[in-house]
Amino acid sequence: GESVGLHLPTLSVQEGDNSIINCAYSNSASDYFIWYKQESGKGPQFIIDIRSNMDKRQGQRVTVLLNKTVKHLSLQIAATQPGDSAVYFCAENWKTGANSKLTFGKGITLSVRP
Amino acid sequence: NAGVMQNPRHLVRRRGQEARLRCSPMKGHSHVYWYRQLPEEGLKFMVYLQKENIIDESGMPKERFSAEFPKEGPSILRIQQVVRGDSAAYFCASSPLAGTHEQFFGPGTRLTVL
Repeated sequence: GESVGLHLPTLSVQEGDNSIINCAYSNSASDYFIWYKQESGKGPQFIIDIRSNMDKRQGQRVTVLLNKTVKHLSLQIAATQPGDSAVYFCAENWKTGANSKLTFGKGITLSVRP
Repeated sequence: NAGVMQNPRHLVRRRGQEARLRCSPMKGHSHVYWYRQLPEEGLKFMVYLQKENIIDESGMPKERFSAEFPKEGPSILRIQQVVRGDSAAYFCASSPLAGTHEQFFGPGTRLTVL
């Protein structure tokens, strides 16, 4: 069946350090993997995505790595800032024809220490 | 260009009442998705609609829940005879294309059933 899960429920990092958030998935048919950030009381905010035929993609201060061999996805945040404190979700997109469905993991809380 | 709008932001209902949640997609978007988020959980897909059509309702409970996206006006998620287990945050997302993982989320409606 489909499942996307995160290894750790919380992550505490020092401001300025790099953060790494990990995620495991099980659906090999997903065409995209996406990271979302959710701040308290708000909806998920898109951070970065990666197509299933890629293994790395970089954005501004963020990098997503995809390891299809072990079905593992990670989000790296460089020079973590207090504004990065939020809950992070990985999601996979399962596309069948014109239908597209996102499956989310449970989420991990990133706490940035000043 | 306004983002996805949802209202009300907070809704309190007593058991047995009806809840109506509204979602206005981004301008130019004709695809709407509804998700439910329980506390400490990730988002769970409920239904995918295009204008006047339900494309995928595989995540919708079989009873008491319905959704529509009329030709004019917002998408409506309707929950009849609410129970305490319906208490959750309900998020709407919209996209401009069919079968895409690029979904833009609204701020959510937090439903509390007393």
